[in-house]
Formats: sequence, structure tokens, C-alpha cells
Amino acid sequence: AQSVTQLDSQVPVFEEAPVELRCNYSSSVSVYLFWYVQYPNQGLQLLLKYLSGSTLVKGINGFEAEFNKSQTSFHLRKPSVHISDTAEYFCAVSDDGQGGKLIFGQGTELSVKP
Amino acid sequence: DAGVTQSPTHLIKTRGQQVTLRCSPKSGHDTVSWYQQALGQGPQFIFQYYEEEERQRGNFPDRFSGHQFPNYSSELNVNALWLGDSALYLCASSLAGGSEDTQYFGPGTRLTVL
Repeated sequence: AQSVTQLDSQVPVFEEAPVELRCNYSSSVSVYLFWYVQYPNQGLQLLLKYLSGSTLVKGINGFEAEFNKSQTSFHLRKPSVHISDTAEYFCAVSDDGQGGKLIFGQGTELSVKP
Repeated sequence: DAGVTQSPTHLIKTRGQQVTLRCSPKSGHDTVSWYQQALGQGPQFIFQYYEEEERQRGNFPDRFSGHQFPNYSSELNVNALWLGDSALYLCASSLAGGSEDTQYFGPGTRLTVL
């Protein structure tokens, strides 16, 4: 069965500092990986996705993630965060890459302080 | 281009009642998925509808049922509500078999069961 573990429930960081949000997955089949962001009182917005090809994926708002098959990880990074990046971030995995069932991690709350 | 819309925004029910939540998919999408997000948790997949039929189902009891209409909009019905059903219910839409296999999420319906 597929599962996703987000290793940090909360990540506090100062504005303009770099950040990494960690995500590990387990799956016995090919995986398709996603990062979503949820701002307060809103739905989820896709940041980026890995389906195949280059293991370094660039997304919106300056975020990027690297797929590491040997370590079963898909960590999200941003070199310099802004106050507006304060939100909940969810890593998710799918086994079909065709808009099928997504399995989400518990979420990481990113708090950017001035 | 309208995104995914959900109604109502908020809902308060008492134990034992029944509730119906509604979702209109993003323009051009034909597949609707429903997720339950309890407070402080990641979303959990309930089921997915395509061509007016349930295509996939998560680990939710039969009290949770759904429907998809010919215009691709969808309803989520929950019978015999109990306190544990209090959550944010998210609808996501996608295009089956399309090159863009991303799920787009609506803002959610906040259900409170008293």
C-alpha cells in the first residue's frame, strides 16, 4: 500500500531564508508525486508534480522539488521565502498519474517570520 | 474560466441527520473526486466519479454516497451523521485520459456536526 510521511509538522523560518520541507513515500509500484499548498480557509493549490523524466521539478512561486528514488523522497525547497509563503504544505502520491486517487501526508505548517 | 466551485461554504448539522454537498468541476473536466480533511490532517480520498459512475472508492463506510450528473457536477451525501464526520470536504476535478492529469481543488465545505 502507498503511504506518505511528512517528517516535520511545523517549520518556522525567517523571511528570505532558504527552506526545505521533507517528504518520504512508500510504494510498490511506479509513483507520481505532488506538492500542494493550502492557504488559510482555502482549498489546495498545486505547486508542482513529478510524473517522469528529470528528477528536479520546478513549480510555481519559486518552489522546486527533487525526486530521489533510492531514498524514496520528494523534498520541497525554496531558496528564499516570503511572508506570503506562510501556509500548510501537503505532499501526495498517486499510482496512476491520470488524476486518480491521491494519498496525502499529514502536512507541514510553514511559518515565515519577519 | 471558472475553477472548481463548492456549496455551501459552511454547514452545521446535528448527529443522525443527513447532508448533501455540491461540486461543480472546472470547465472542461469530466471527473470529480471527493476528499475529507479532518482538522490538522491531510485530505483522505472518499471516492471518484466518472461518466456518472463511482470509479474508485477509499476506506469510507456506505453512509458516504455520491452522484454525478450529466453536466459532470457532483453531490456527496452523508447519512446518519456523527461527530467524527466534522471536517472540511474538498472536491477536486480532472480530465480523464487528458495530458494534464492534475486534480484541481475547490475551496471546500466546512461541515460541523453537533
